[in-house]
Amino acid sequence: SQQGEEDPQALSIQEGENATMNCSYKTSINNLQWYRQNSGRGLVHLILIRSNEREKHSGRLRVTLDTSKKSSSLLITASRAADTASYFCATWSGGSNYKLTFGKGTLLTVNP
Amino acid sequence: NAGVTQTPKFRVLKTGQSMTLLCAQDMNHEYMYWYRQDPGMGLRLIHYSVGEGTTAKGEVPDGYNVSRLKKQNFLLGLESAAPSQTSVYFCASSYSRGGRYNEQFFGPGTRLTVL
Repeated sequence: SQQGEEDPQALSIQEGENATMNCSYKTSINNLQWYRQNSGRGLVHLILIRSNEREKHSGRLRVTLDTSKKSSSLLITASRAADTASYFCATWSGGSNYKLTFGKGTLLTVNP
Repeated sequence: NAGVTQTPKFRVLKTGQSMTLLCAQDMNHEYMYWYRQDPGMGLRLIHYSVGEGTTAKGEVPDGYNVSRLKKQNFLLGLESAAPSQTSVYFCASSYSRGGRYNEQFFGPGTRLTVL
């Protein structure tokens, strides 16, 4: 079953614009992660935010987490054509659970 | 460091044939995973391993077997391939199962077509 659901499914913007993707999940989590997947490649970890954190930054990435709404957002500022990829959120519920549960992803296209 | 590598990159099988996908990691990670990725379905966990000599079932284990004889290798086997197993298969590894260190490192994937 899918825990995280990304929104929108697809997003097309111009270079230099900001891109915002959202992730909603159903059950309580220990942490939430965002991954990027370029076409034909494996996933690459971008950022991890723990359940007791509300915001985290890494370069041009800003992630927020609202545990009361069970949602997270990923903001990419000043986007570049190289940011074109699919973006996935993944949740870990903690405890003895070994599984990361991935959403279906948002396909971001940045037009030059 | 090569990270996570997968062999082969592409494969075409006929229904009923068998094959083994090999995953290798050089990061000394305890945890390894096999996923399949299908359009519109995201990633689904097939099997995983929490250490050398251990394996466990994930969400969609039917039709697959795995082995982890060495810490650095995780093998995924298809004994009798079916068209429903046409997919892209990803291997991943992680240092820990949770907390701040459960970031997963992914291989480049194996694209499998079963005719």
